[in-house]
Amino acid sequence: ETVMTQSPVTLSVSPGERATLSCRASQSVTNNLAWYQQKLGQAPRLLIYGASTRATGVPPRFSGSGSGTEFTLTISSLQSEDFAVYYCQQYDDWPLTFGGGTKVEIK
Amino acid sequence: QVQLQESGPGLVKPSETLSLTCSVSGYSISSGHYWGWIRQPPGKGLEWIGSMFHRGITYYNPSLRGRVTISIDTSKNRFSLKLTSVTAADTAVYYCARQRTQKISKVVFALEFDFWGQGALLAVSS
Repeated sequence: ETVMTQSPVTLSVSPGERATLSCRASQSVTNNLAWYQQKLGQAPRLLIYGASTRATGVPPRFSGSGSGTEFTLTISSLQSEDFAVYYCQQYDDWPLTFGGGTKVEIK
Repeated sequence: QVQLQESGPGLVKPSETLSLTCSVSGYSISSGHYWGWIRQPPGKGLEWIGSMFHRGITYYNPSLRGRVTISIDTSKNRFSLKLTSVTAADTAVYYCARQRTQKISKVVFALEFDFWGQGALLAVSS
């Protein structure tokens, strides 16, 4: 099983600042990685797939990078609606696995 | 627009079987893609339960030790989850989701979850 580890657990950022979230896989997942955003009481929403491709309707301030075992989600200028929990997920192999999440909170 | 909607009892007794259904609209299940279940215990992260291809191929999380069955009813455009011998640890919000696929040289690869249901809270309690 591929273990996904996200850091930090909590990220305190001021509106307008840049946020950088990390996701590490215990073995290579090539670029078979997705990022999801989850707001309180809502279902997860797909942001990024293929490690770097934005899903339909996702603003360009969200960008993904990385391959193999190290991945990054960057939010270039945080807006009020971006404060949420973010999860990475690998789909390179079964079983599918999610990271533990990073909570982006207002500083 | 693809929409998914979970439905279920809300409360299940310990040792009984949990049953949930996901109704799909805006897309025909028999057209392709994998269809999956993911759960989230209160205050915790996401856990993949299992996925099923419309042609009957299934993959399950080994951590659930054979307690899981996913089935598809193409005539009603819905798919279902059964989880047996439930305990309090199975209390969670259960999400259904569509998993996009890509076909390369006759092999179908399962990709990311692109459409999600709103989630259904299942509590296990006597």
